[in-house]
Amino acid sequence: GAVVSQHPSWVICKSGTSVKIECRSLDFQATTMFWYRQFPKQSLMLMATSNEGSKATYEQGVEKDKFLINHASLTLSTLTVTSAHPEDSSFYICSAAVRRGRFNEQFFGPGTRLTVL
Amino acid sequence: AQSVTQLDSQVPVFEEAPVELRCNYSSSVSVYLFWYVQYPNQGLQLLLKYLSGSTLVKGINGFEAEFNKSQTSFHLRKPSVHISDTAEYFCAVSVSQAGTALIFGKGTTLSVSS
Repeated sequence: GAVVSQHPSWVICKSGTSVKIECRSLDFQATTMFWYRQFPKQSLMLMATSNEGSKATYEQGVEKDKFLINHASLTLSTLTVTSAHPEDSSFYICSAAVRRGRFNEQFFGPGTRLTVL
Repeated sequence: AQSVTQLDSQVPVFEEAPVELRCNYSSSVSVYLFWYVQYPNQGLQLLLKYLSGSTLVKGINGFEAEFNKSQTSFHLRKPSVHISDTAEYFCAVSVSQAGTALIFGKGTTLSVSS
């Protein structure tokens, strides 16, 4: 149980195009979903927190107009990288959280590698 | 604000040797602590977590960690490593409040050789 999928697993796009990444919790409903970004050999940096039916909360320094997050249901969140540029190339990882009392148990997706040419 | 420091960026060890990956955290409030493992081009897999109770936490794959509140540490240990343990290991913290994200350390690369 507690499986999170991401689609696509990798994508290559031209500079200036937009890319949509889906994050799905396959066998549970997630109260909250998180989007992280990971550069090579570095840690995960939180980009935004999203709750179903409400606007995402972005971390400082993350452009909300560039990284559009839609949390359409309790099992699906999407991240759209608009007008992608080479510096947006990275590994994007989502996690889906289930509230257990005061604790948010997070389950991570396998990640999406984005390469912008 | 919370922060996590992983003291070693790389740890090379020989197979069947013991290993300890160090993690220290900083927080003014109660926290939950986690260790995750990441294999190349994959997402994160939870090794173990400390929420409350016993300070010695046992996880998957023979790993364990000990929460030391006075030293604000949560070091990960394994008595005998295998080649398959070669991966990136991340220590993470979250505050004791629902809806909050994880804050990750920079990671430690464990390289096990024969």
